[in-house]
Amino acid sequence: GAGVSQSPSNKVTEKGKDVELRCDPISGHTALYWYRQSLGQGLEFLIYFQGNSAPDKSGLPSDRFSAERTGGSVSTLTIQRTQQEDSAVYLCASSPSWAARSYEQYFGPGTRLTVT
Amino acid sequence: SQELEQSPQSLIVQEGKNLTINCTSSKTLYGLYWYKQKYGEGLIFLMMLQKGGEEKSHEKITAKLDEKKQQSSLHITASQPSHAGIYLCGADTQGGSEKLVFGKGTKLTVNP
Repeated sequence: GAGVSQSPSNKVTEKGKDVELRCDPISGHTALYWYRQSLGQGLEFLIYFQGNSAPDKSGLPSDRFSAERTGGSVSTLTIQRTQQEDSAVYLCASSPSWAARSYEQYFGPGTRLTVT
Repeated sequence: SQELEQSPQSLIVQEGKNLTINCTSSKTLYGLYWYKQKYGEGLIFLMMLQKGGEEKSHEKITAKLDEKKQQSSLHITASQPSHAGIYLCGADTQGGSEKLVFGKGTKLTVNP
């Protein structure tokens, strides 16, 4: 597809379980971002990947959160031992090379995570 | 504290009316982005502003960045039901940073 895709679109899980959220960025985009959008809140930056550089993990809220990006393309956000406060929409975005000074980020439709 | 403040939080207008949404920061906005979000969908990029005093328009939507680069406004002329959604402003407040901060959004309802 032409845009950023995310899966699953919805995920309901029990408290304490681990979940994996997937993001397929736009082909050729070197930068990939994860955000979290909680009810009534703006987007909260979680993690940023740029090419082969070490990811910027400064936004991850706890060590239960981790993310990988394999082969410079697909990314997986993992939340271990989920808590109810993890319930949110998780959005992925990608953008062209930072070197081109293009900051426009293209967003996926998001994964709505509900922890019961 | 919220780095980007959006106002109003929600807005209900009659079709055909004009409206303005504001995005304000105490920090310099090195890059200011407007996005639109519909329920169940991702964010749709609208416009990007970088220079103080810059103004851009697309169809009936105009975005401006003030000279001090601390406030931006989004103006919709002759609103239509298709304009309904949540409008979010995002910004680079560090200068050359890839990490954008976002406002909480403005929910726009346009009644036919």
